Amino acid sequence: QVHLQESGPGLVKPSQTLSLTCTVSGDSISNIDYYWSWIRQPPGKGLEWVGYIYYTGDAYYSPSLESRVSISLDTSRNQFSLELTSATAADTAVYFCARVVTWRREADSWGQGTLVTVSS
Amino acid sequence: DVQMTQSPSSLSASVGDRVTITCRASQSVSNYVNWYQQKLGKAPKLLIYTASNLRSGVPSRFSASGSGTHFTLTISGLQPEDFATYFCQQSYHTPSYTFGQGTKVEIK
Repeated sequence: QVHLQESGPGLVKPSQTLSLTCTVSGDSISNIDYYWSWIRQPPGKGLEWVGYIYYTGDAYYSPSLESRVSISLDTSRNQFSLELTSATAADTAVYFCARVVTWRREADSWGQGTLVTVSS
Repeated sequence: DVQMTQSPSSLSASVGDRVTITCRASQSVSNYVNWYQQKLGKAPKLLIYTASNLRSGVPSRFSASGSGTHFTLTISGLQPEDFATYFCQQSYHTPSYTFGQGTKVEIK
């Protein structure tokens, strides 16, 4: 059974880069049947799709974040990562990593989420 | 981005009630709609994929239907563990698989 676990700083200063890593166990991020995605949820609000990456390294981002976001793979560690530059208070959220089935495109497995607060 | 509009945003219901949540897309998303359940402080859990397919292990009291722009999630015989927030998501228009704003199901 696949397990995803987010890790990274819980506090980021404004204008700095928010960086998170998702460690996957029980599956390989080279599995051609899945995308690997990031989704966030500001406190008390709804879910926002951030972006996803395929085993080829091709990544796709939400248009609203595209200028600031980057998702990458580390196949040697079976991890994928998120970087969000020029962070502001509006980026304060619980960040989830999730596995997405390629042909049906549902997020079938999620990490527990990690809260990142952007504050000085 | 494709907008997904859920209604109602919240509802109160009793154990045993039948509950229906609606999700409307701002443009056709074919049948690429998924439904998730989220409990407080937890990650969302997949209930339904591609509009009407029940994920393995999800109770059969959950059902869903729809295509194009109009979708519904129904819980037939609400159970205490079903009190949660439910989100629809379109996964047809890339690269942003947008979510609805959520429907909170509360105990009456």
